[in-house]
Amino acid sequence: DAMVIQNPRYQVTQFGKPVTLSCSQTLNHNVMYWYQQKSSQAPKLLFHYYDKDFNNEADTPDNFQSRRPNTSFCFLDIRSPGLGDAAMYLCATSGHWDGETQYFGPGTRLLVL
Amino acid sequence: SQKIEQNSEALNIQEGKTATLTCNYTNYSPAYLQWYRQDPGRGPVFLLLIRENEKEKRKERLKVTFDTTLKQSLFHITASQPADSATYLCALRGQAGTALIFGKGTTLSVSS
Repeated sequence: DAMVIQNPRYQVTQFGKPVTLSCSQTLNHNVMYWYQQKSSQAPKLLFHYYDKDFNNEADTPDNFQSRRPNTSFCFLDIRSPGLGDAAMYLCATSGHWDGETQYFGPGTRLLVL
Repeated sequence: SQKIEQNSEALNIQEGKTATLTCNYTNYSPAYLQWYRQDPGRGPVFLLLIRENEKEKRKERLKVTFDTTLKQSLFHITASQPADSATYLCALRGQAGTALIFGKGTTLSVSS
């Protein structure tokens, strides 16, 4: 089945220690998104790629970076995680930027010690 | 400022009843509105999309209405089952080219 896969499902890191979360998709979608979701909050878009074009949301901290080496894979790098970065990180895809349906992965729960 | 509000954080109903969830928005003129289901510790799953020129959309036991005058969407689950227990998120896109914005969600609990 076509899907969005996120690894790992749970990630523990230390305060200030860089961490990378990964996402892959078999849907062959042009657009890949990274969201941050804290408990009982709405998913908050951090950035998205339309093909190789990177688009950062205005309020995404510089501490968050992303890479998309090919259509299938996208990475979220947190350069110096703080306690406030503990959250669920969701990867999603859509066929187009104005794509009407977003397909989400299962998420990676990040814990910062 | 622009806001999406899902009017209750939690809704508890008995099996077999109809659950009605509300999504209100201000300062948006969305071309469409979507509803997603999110189970604990999982990513959201798309359920339904309704366009601004549609009043109602149905899918099996689900029904969505969209009132652009009231700036409100209602999401109904008829003959609810314990398996329907989850958080339901509404989402809309403001202007073309802007990001999809999600509400915080309403957590539905259906008891048997």
